[in-house]
Amino acid sequence: TQLLEQSPQFLSIQEGENLTVYCNSSSVFSSLQWYRQEPGEGPVLLVTVVTGGEVKKLKRLTFQFGDARKDSSLHITAAQPGDTGLYLCAGAPGGGSTLGRLYFGRGTQLTVWP
Amino acid sequence: ETGVTQTPRHLVMGMTNKKSLKCEQHLGHNAMYWYKQSAKKPLELMFVYNFKEQTENNSVPSRFSPECPNSSHLFLHLHTLQPEDSALYLCASSQFIGGGTGIVEAFFGQGTRLTVV
Repeated sequence: TQLLEQSPQFLSIQEGENLTVYCNSSSVFSSLQWYRQEPGEGPVLLVTVVTGGEVKKLKRLTFQFGDARKDSSLHITAAQPGDTGLYLCAGAPGGGSTLGRLYFGRGTQLTVWP
Repeated sequence: ETGVTQTPRHLVMGMTNKKSLKCEQHLGHNAMYWYKQSAKKPLELMFVYNFKEQTENNSVPSRFSPECPNSSHLFLHLHTLQPEDSALYLCASSQFIGGGTGIVEAFFGQGTRLTVV
């Protein structure tokens, strides 16, 4: 079952542009993470959001968790070629016991051209 | 050495071979995971171990056999695989906080690129 839907699947932009990627679900998550993955490497954790409506900033990256804890967005300001990579959202299901489960979306492949 | 280390980085095996993937974490975490990443598919959770006990087996075929001898080491034993099993196999660890807090931050190894011929 695909719990997390990410959009767009591919995004190709010029350096300096702004962009937003989305992560949506019909399920409630106790927490949600964003990861970035480069070719041949494992995903690297960028941020964790826990509270509905929470906004976190990491330099030029802004992460938001939806009020109902079902969706999230990642906004990048003034994108740079170094931002190129596969951006993955992942959520821990809500409920009494998560048992450590973490489910991933398909990812958004971002390419930033100089 | 820090973080999560996976060996080998690349593996080519025949369908009749038996091989094992190894994962070691140096983060003091209590949970370890195997994920499968195929082209055009999301990361698929295969197995979860909390405190060395398997708590998740996501309908994975028996040709994949996990082993977790302690909280720092995780193995994935492979036998009679099929070509469609070719993928990037990722190991991860996290400090799982029970009681339903739901905060699971996974730290991944670099993966093993497996090709079944």
